[in-house]
Amino acid sequence: AQTVTQSQPEMSVQEAETVTLSCTYDTSESNYYLFWYKQPPSRQMILVIRQEAYKQQNATENRFSVNFQKAAKSFSLKISDSQLGDTAMYFCAFHNTGNQFYFGTGTSLTVIP
Amino acid sequence: AAGVIQSPRHLIKEKRETATLKCYPIPRHDTVYWYQQGPGQDPQFLISFYEKMQSDKGSIPDRFSAQQFSDYHSELNMSSLELGDSALYFCASSPRDRGFLTEAFFGQGTRLTVV
Repeated sequence: AQTVTQSQPEMSVQEAETVTLSCTYDTSESNYYLFWYKQPPSRQMILVIRQEAYKQQNATENRFSVNFQKAAKSFSLKISDSQLGDTAMYFCAFHNTGNQFYFGTGTSLTVIP
Repeated sequence: AAGVIQSPRHLIKEKRETATLKCYPIPRHDTVYWYQQGPGQDPQFLISFYEKMQSDKGSIPDRFSAQQFSDYHSELNMSSLELGDSALYFCASSPRDRGFLTEAFFGQGTRLTVV
């Protein structure tokens, strides 16, 4: 069975600072995708970034980047130059060849002005 | 660009009533899934469809059923509603790349309140 673990229920960061959200996962598969989704107070689920497991290069999207450590099954999200609009719940998610995404329990991030 | 459309956005039902939630996926996305998210909880997978056939099944109660129609829209039918069914119900759709679901595009959700 696939599991996704987010060990930080809540985090806070000062505006313009950098914060890292942790995620670990467990799978016996070798090919899969990893994702970070953002859920702001509106509760819309928004894709932040994704990583293909067979790509060694860490994905980046503007201020968002990941540290993907395949051997350690770790997939952390780094948010640089944090903005007030980054305040949201962040979910780490995993998908392989099945027909569902596995979500972690989420990290609530608050950006402090 | 077209997004996943869910209707209704809000729904209030009484206990033991039935509810039907609708989802219209992004065109040419062949996979649709339903998730339930209770207050302060992570999304829980209910069920998915691939090319109009049920594929995976998660923690969907027997009181719930779902189907995908020939136009690819999907409906989640919920009967004998209970207070604990109050939640945000997400539908998502995905394209495939070499068999992998490369991204889930979520609808805005239907907020169901059972009173």
